[in-house]
Amino acid sequence: AQTVTQSQPEMSVQEAETVTLSCTYDTSENNYYLFWYKQPPSRQMILVIRQEAYKQQNATENRFSVNFQKAAKSFSLKISDSQLGDTAMYFCASPLLSTSGTYKYIFGTGTRLKVLA
Amino acid sequence: KAGVTQTPRYLIKTRGQQVTLSCSPISGHRSVSWYQQTPGQGLQFLFEYFSETQRNKGNFPGRFSGRQFSNSRSEMNVSTLELGDSALYLCASSLEVAGQNTGELFFGEGSRLTVL
Repeated sequence: AQTVTQSQPEMSVQEAETVTLSCTYDTSENNYYLFWYKQPPSRQMILVIRQEAYKQQNATENRFSVNFQKAAKSFSLKISDSQLGDTAMYFCASPLLSTSGTYKYIFGTGTRLKVLA
Repeated sequence: KAGVTQTPRYLIKTRGQQVTLSCSPISGHRSVSWYQQTPGQGLQFLFEYFSETQRNKGNFPGRFSGRQFSNSRSEMNVSTLELGDSALYLCASSLEVAGQNTGELFFGEGSRLTVL
């Protein structure tokens, strides 16, 4: 079965510092997407960054970047220059191809990140 | 463009009751999926609907059901509520790309269900 594992339930980082959130996954697909979603306290979950597996270049979105290691099935999120607004739950997600030929998303259990002033 | 809207935002039920949650997707999005979020378990996939048809289903008992209407609005129902059903229920819509949904999910704020 396809799995997505986030081994860090909680992390904290000082404002302006860099933090890396880990995610490993298991899939039998060759071409797939990987996502990081952010869920701020009592607010909607939003997409942070997306990586296409066939692209070797790591995705970057402003202060957010990923370290995608396809062979190791690792997909970590690096947040540079951490800001107080980055305090949130972060979920790693991967689509699973179902028998219907469409995709459903499998999420990790999340990492609660707290940015300290 | 309005985002994903879920109602009600909060509700309290007692064991044995049933509950219906509603989700209005972003205009133009025909795929609607539902997730159960609990502490320590993350997001568990419930089901996904597209054009009024259930395309995917997670590993939940038959007490959990859903449907989608012609305007893409979706409802999920939980019958015979149990204490363990207390959770945040999230709805997400997405835009189909080339017949496959591998794109971004847009989430609502969720419906927080408490079962007493």
